[in-house]
Amino acid sequence: DTEVTQTPKHLVMGMTNKKSLKCEQHMGHRAMYWYKQKAKKPPELMFVYSYEKLSINESVPSRFSPECPNSSLLNLHLHALQPEDSALYLCASSQYGSLHEQYFGPGTRLTVT
Amino acid sequence: GQQVMQIPQYQHVQEGEDFTTYCNSSTTLSNIQWYKQRPGGHPVFLIQLVKSGEVKKQKRLTFQFGEAKKNSSLHITATQTTDVGTYFCAEANAGGTSYGKLTFGQGTILTVHP
Repeated sequence: DTEVTQTPKHLVMGMTNKKSLKCEQHMGHRAMYWYKQKAKKPPELMFVYSYEKLSINESVPSRFSPECPNSSLLNLHLHALQPEDSALYLCASSQYGSLHEQYFGPGTRLTVT
Repeated sequence: GQQVMQIPQYQHVQEGEDFTTYCNSSTTLSNIQWYKQRPGGHPVFLIQLVKSGEVKKQKRLTFQFGEAKKNSSLHITATQTTDVGTYFCAEANAGGTSYGKLTFGQGTILTVHP
């Protein structure tokens, strides 16, 4: 199984809502990532988890809160978002080490109204 | 920080024509990965190059890593409509970490007219 799954596929939320994005992989990968992607732009790294510990936070605003409950799951909790946070949110995973390909999930298309 | 410049930003071709996208860096790259993202889809890994002068082929796709490891290219021979999408190059951080931190180029958006 070389699949990364993400739910939901689409999400519309108001600026006062709280919602969560979920990501799951069963490839035994110990590194998991959250990216934000705007139209016609490359993915921007937000967070990296390695062995369920947060390794990188790319100065992401605190209205985004990541969580890694176990080695297969990654969540992104959203609260008090702004319209400019509307984007495609991609989860990815990779094997241990830096020189391995990343497997991306299909993404969650988020719209903040 | 490290930047990977990718050109062209857009490329429109007729089906059957060749296509090339280039990535360049002012500093030596430790490696280069290539990803393809179909419209409405997510990035999918294509290949990784790590050795100076390396050339790898996947059917109609040819990937090259420059001798000085400061540039890389992806060439598609005789494009098909299934080649449509955005092609990204990316450098992964050099070793020593348990994860990969990718620095992406800006991507080349390929359109193929039938």
